[in-house]
Amino acid sequence: EDQVTQSPEALRLQEGESSSLNCSYTVSGLRGLFWYRQDPGKGPEFLFTLYSAGEEKEKERLKATLTKKESFLHITAPKPEDSATYLCAVQSWSGGGADGLTFGKGTHLIIQP
Amino acid sequence: EPEVTQTPSHQVTQMGQEVILRCVPISNHLYFYWYRQILGQKVEFLVSFYNNEISEKSEIFDDQFSVERPDGSNFTLKIRSTKLEDSAMYFCASSELLILRAGGNTIYFGEGSWLTVV
Repeated sequence: EDQVTQSPEALRLQEGESSSLNCSYTVSGLRGLFWYRQDPGKGPEFLFTLYSAGEEKEKERLKATLTKKESFLHITAPKPEDSATYLCAVQSWSGGGADGLTFGKGTHLIIQP
Repeated sequence: EPEVTQTPSHQVTQMGQEVILRCVPISNHLYFYWYRQILGQKVEFLVSFYNNEISEKSEIFDDQFSVERPDGSNFTLKIRSTKLEDSAMYFCASSELLILRAGGNTIYFGEGSWLTVV
């Protein structure tokens, strides 16, 4: 059974204070690791997909990295509008068709002005 | 940017009643999904759908649930006899490709339908 653990559960930063969010995962075979942003009462908003260890992707102040056991979402010089819950999810090779994502509980990030 | 649209945004229903949640996936996407999120909990996979049939379903997706693509654009989730524990946000999602690598398989989510069973 696929498992995803995210840490910390909550993180409060000052504007401009860089940090990293962690996603540890256990899968039988990784098809893809996904990062989403979720605002209160809204659907997950796609950020990145990572496929293999060593891969990195960047978008504005966010950078996602992947190893064989975990992924990090690095936030550089965050702004208050980066406040949200960041979700990590994995998709594994089960041999079936459109395999579902297994999500972590998320990291609730607050950026204070 | 293309988006997944869902209706209704919020529905209140009495226990035992049938509910249909509707979704319009992104037009060129081939794979469709339903997920749910109980308040304060993880997003959970319910079912995936491809080529007019269920591709995979979770343990949550029991006989009270069904999905259908009644025409070329809509994708629906039916809950036959709602229970209090079905109260949750239900998300529809879609993706273009299943095979990953080289930038494929982005799964886009809708804004959700909030279901309250009373």
